[in-house]
Amino acid sequence: DTGVSQDPRHKITKRGQNVTFRCDPISEHNRLYWYRQTLGQGPEFLTYFQNEAQLEKSRLLSDRFSAERPKGSFSTLEIQRTEQGDSAMYLCASSLEDSPRAFFGQGTRLTVV
Amino acid sequence: QQQVKQSPQSLIVQKGGISIINCAYENTAFDYFPWYQQFPGKGPALLIAIRPDVSEKKEGRFTISFNKSAKQFSLHIMDSQPGDSATYFCAATQNSGGSNYKLTFGKGTLLTVNP
Repeated sequence: DTGVSQDPRHKITKRGQNVTFRCDPISEHNRLYWYRQTLGQGPEFLTYFQNEAQLEKSRLLSDRFSAERPKGSFSTLEIQRTEQGDSAMYLCASSLEDSPRAFFGQGTRLTVV
Repeated sequence: QQQVKQSPQSLIVQKGGISIINCAYENTAFDYFPWYQQFPGKGPALLIAIRPDVSEKKEGRFTISFNKSAKQFSLHIMDSQPGDSATYFCAATQNSGGSNYKLTFGKGTLLTVNP
């Protein structure tokens, strides 16, 4: 297993377009997290899944954002009607259910022009 | 409200020197404190972590010192090398009571180790 995988690595989109990112966690990890990181800041929690259930959403996750993990394996994060303020690195992390040790993917760098 | 405060914002150290990064937290429910290392364009990589029942943890050249009463913890990098040049983040989470273990990060410290 090569760790948490995210796709695409980079995405440039025009304001108002929809974008979707994918995350494949470490195979035996049933917890999956999405974070957002802006330039010069630490990652900020967006949402978390345990298996296929989305159990918590940050207030940072506006109604333009939606995340799914349909079969408890990979997850997608969709942003509708993108805004310039959405430009950031979107990071996915995974962990075992009873472990705080979270492992991050390489991230998807989103640029909204 | 910034729950984890990290300093300094940037740090320059000579090769072979000791790098020290400090963090302070506010939420007394936090009970797991990891440090992450991030290179440009990459995701954060877990470096070392500590729980509050110990005051120090060492792994190779990396040591965490923890002061529960002061709600502070620090990362020491001994014999710093140019390859250690990266951004370091402290973080905290609640590791008990059915917590979801979401991480609260500091703002990061950009470490530069000069050869």
